[in-house]
Amino acid sequence: DIQMTQSPSTLSASIGDRVTITCRASQSVSNWLAWYQQKPGKAPKLLIYKASSLESGVPSRFSGSGSGTEFTLTISSLQPDDFATYYCQQYSSLYTFGQGTTLEIK
Amino acid sequence: EVQLLESGGGLVQPGVSLRLTCAASGFTFSSYAMTWVRQAPGKGPECVSVISATGGSTYYVASVRGRFTISRDDSKNRLFLQMNSLRAEDTAVYYCAKVNGLWLSPFDSWGQGTLVTVSS
Repeated sequence: DIQMTQSPSTLSASIGDRVTITCRASQSVSNWLAWYQQKPGKAPKLLIYKASSLESGVPSRFSGSGSGTEFTLTISSLQPDDFATYYCQQYSSLYTFGQGTTLEIK
Repeated sequence: EVQLLESGGGLVQPGVSLRLTCAASGFTFSSYAMTWVRQAPGKGPECVSVISATGGSTYYVASVRGRFTISRDDSKNRLFLQMNSLRAEDTAVYYCAKVNGLWLSPFDSWGQGTLVTVSS
């Protein structure tokens, strides 16, 4: 099974900051990597697919990059609505989620 | 607009069975793979089971293989998860989600979830 490891587990940032979350796969997943945002009590929401493609309706301040085993999710200028937990997911070999990164207000 | 509505969760004792149902609308249900994803309290999501668009292929995470069965009724736009021999570690919110394709694709629409609690 492919394991996904996110870092950091928690990230404190301020409105307007640029933040980056990293996701590493235990073996290559090519670019079959998605990012989700989850708020408390809600289902995850798809933000990015195929490593760098923005899902329809997602603000352009979100971007993804990477291939193979290392990927990043970047938020260019944090907005109040962005404080949430973020998960990566590989779908190269079945499906595996990372353990999550919680983005907190500093 | 895609809508997914789960039902069937509840509080049950270890060893019993439960059947989850997901009612889908707003898209051509038969054209997409579907999945059940669970999330235990304070944990990340875990893909429990996936069924292909045709129903001919299924996947189960190792911890539920042999106990859970996924199925679909395309005539009624329904997805099911039959859960037998439930264990305490199956306690979680169970989400139904639409796979954005026939098989290996991201999950682009999710239901609101149904809570399953396994406890004596």
